[in-house]
Amino acid sequence: DIQMTQSPSTLSASVGDRVTITCRASQSISSWLAWYQQKPGKAPKLLIYKASSLESGVPSRFSGSGSGTEFTLTISSLQPDDFATYYCQQYNSYSITFGGGTKVEIK
Amino acid sequence: QLQLQESGPGLVKPSETLSLTCTVSGGSISSSSYYWGWIRQPPGKGLEWIGSIYYSGSTYYNPSLKSRVTISVDTSKNQFSLKLSSVTAADTAVYYCARLIAVAGKADYWGQGTLVTVSS
Repeated sequence: DIQMTQSPSTLSASVGDRVTITCRASQSISSWLAWYQQKPGKAPKLLIYKASSLESGVPSRFSGSGSGTEFTLTISSLQPDDFATYYCQQYNSYSITFGGGTKVEIK
Repeated sequence: QLQLQESGPGLVKPSETLSLTCTVSGGSISSSSYYWGWIRQPPGKGLEWIGSIYYSGSTYYNPSLKSRVTISVDTSKNQFSLKLSSVTAADTAVYYCARLIAVAGKADYWGQGTLVTVSS
């Protein structure tokens, strides 16, 4: 099984900050990685797919990069609506694994 | 606009079988471009993929749950279902159904989720 490790698990930041979250895969997954945002009591929302493709309707301050085993999600200028938990997800031969999540808190 | 809605009992007794159905509206479940999945989230914890199914009936399961999981599809009703047997308190979670894109593996539409509690 492919394991996904996210870091940090919690991140404190202020509005306007540049935020970076890292996700590492236990083996190469090429670019088959997605990022989701989840707010309390809500279903996850897709932000990024195929490592760096922005889902339709998602603000351009969100970006993704990486390939192989190391990936990053960057929020260029943190907005009040961005305080949430973020998950990475790998896709390999119809098998899916999520990272443990990164909670972005108000500093 | 595609919508997914989970339904089923909110309380299941230990050792029994958890059964949920996801009804898809606003689109057809019978497309080779998509497959359909179940994901769960225990209270205060992260997301766990349970398994996925194509409209043809091909299934893919999380190895850690495979022995207890059955996912099926009913194209005539535009629904797919989850059965999880021999449940324990550790299976208490919010259960989500989702649409997954076949090539990219991304889950682009999700149900609102339903909390299932395992308790006697």
